[in-house]
Amino acid sequence: GQQLNQSPQSMFIQEGEDVSMNCTSSSIFNTWLWYKQDPGEGPVLLIALYKAGELTSNGRLTAQFGITRKDSFLNISASIPSDVGIYFCAGRSGGGADGLTFGKGTHLIIQP
Amino acid sequence: EPEVTQTPSHQVTQMGQEVILRCVPISNHLYFYWYRQILGQKVEFLVSFYNNEISEKSEIFDDQFSVERPDGSNFTLKIRSTKLEDSAMYFCAAGARKDTQYFGPGTRLTVL
Repeated sequence: GQQLNQSPQSMFIQEGEDVSMNCTSSSIFNTWLWYKQDPGEGPVLLIALYKAGELTSNGRLTAQFGITRKDSFLNISASIPSDVGIYFCAGRSGGGADGLTFGKGTHLIIQP
Repeated sequence: EPEVTQTPSHQVTQMGQEVILRCVPISNHLYFYWYRQILGQKVEFLVSFYNNEISEKSEIFDDQFSVERPDGSNFTLKIRSTKLEDSAMYFCAAGARKDTQYFGPGTRLTVL
């Protein structure tokens, strides 16, 4: 099946730093989504991207849909303690495929 | 965005028993999904449901699984004869469009 390679696996940063994470795939996706998951909870949708080259912001979060449609990145500016959690990218290939393919997640840890 | 809700939050069952997990999507949602997440791993797609029928299912979704939306509101996932390896978080997701999926808080299934 399709796979998404998400990196880095974990990040240890200081409060106030900017964060960048990305996902790549060997196959094309028509939609890229970024989710945040806190322990014991469901993924919360942060940003949805629907076309190649699209750059979308949600507060301090910015995500881009790669031109090749095989990658996406998420940036978080000026990190704060509540940004701690696991960030997942997810892609939908489109056509008759409805299910999302998820990356393995980036665990963000903010050191005081 | 109003929330997708799920019940129960935690289900403990004996191996071989049937379990039914329930989801209440938002009223304008048309597309419904079940995903699972084994502890410490990525989220995996199980099945999608649209217009009262399955539109896509993964290899995980074998004959032991079934879904239905009997009353036009609740969306259920049934596992007929649970196995130890079915222990996981099960997430319902829903959306008004295919490429934007909102996740519920999950049901933690523990099979003993």
